[in-house]
Amino acid sequence: RKEVEQDPGPFNVPEGATVAFNCTYSNSASQSFFWYRQDCRKEPKLLMSVYSSGNEDGRFTAQLNRASQYISLLIRDSKLSDSATYLCVVNTDSSNTGKLIFGQGTTLQVKP
Amino acid sequence: DADVTQTPRNRITKTGKRIMLECSQTKGHDRMYWYRQDPGLGLRLIYYSFDVKDINKGEISDGYSVSRQAQAKFSLSLESAIPNQTALYFCATSKTGSSYEQYFGPGTRLTVT
Repeated sequence: RKEVEQDPGPFNVPEGATVAFNCTYSNSASQSFFWYRQDCRKEPKLLMSVYSSGNEDGRFTAQLNRASQYISLLIRDSKLSDSATYLCVVNTDSSNTGKLIFGQGTTLQVKP
Repeated sequence: DADVTQTPRNRITKTGKRIMLECSQTKGHDRMYWYRQDPGLGLRLIYYSFDVKDINKGEISDGYSVSRQAQAKFSLSLESAIPNQTALYFCATSKTGSSYEQYFGPGTRLTVT
């Protein structure tokens, strides 16, 4: 079983739609959680951290459910520029080493 | 100007050859990482370094070695390349205290034939 699992998609949605991605992680001792974004043939970039209380950044909302060991990302009012692969990332190391476990990513295609 | 640069960007090499991938950064970060990305597998950590004298193995270090020549430079070597090392390689940096906010270079696409 992979430590971090995501549905690879692709998710094809029209502009303006709301779309949600889920990610599950296997290690209940996981410390912190993130969403990174990766455009086609480009490097990953941090999109947002995921806090226990949930957090919002503009059209993006991230939530964490520790009991069920999943993380979600909600994108409202999708834009063409949101088309990318979204990587769920988990840290299981309490000693701040920066060792991250990456999911394989979920691909989003926003259509006009 | 790119803050994290990688050279070469693309490389095709033959089985058994030695190859070095280089990474430089101007962000002033102390921590540097090497990852590989394969379709369907996500990024996997090869090696990481907290400073010039601190090198640590990651999840998949077999077949690879690294050198931290300076705070700003971190190179990855494949001593004897094999076809299953064909992948997209990323270097990343972070600073102590914000280790999970990592800044990636543009990647090196390596093909071993």
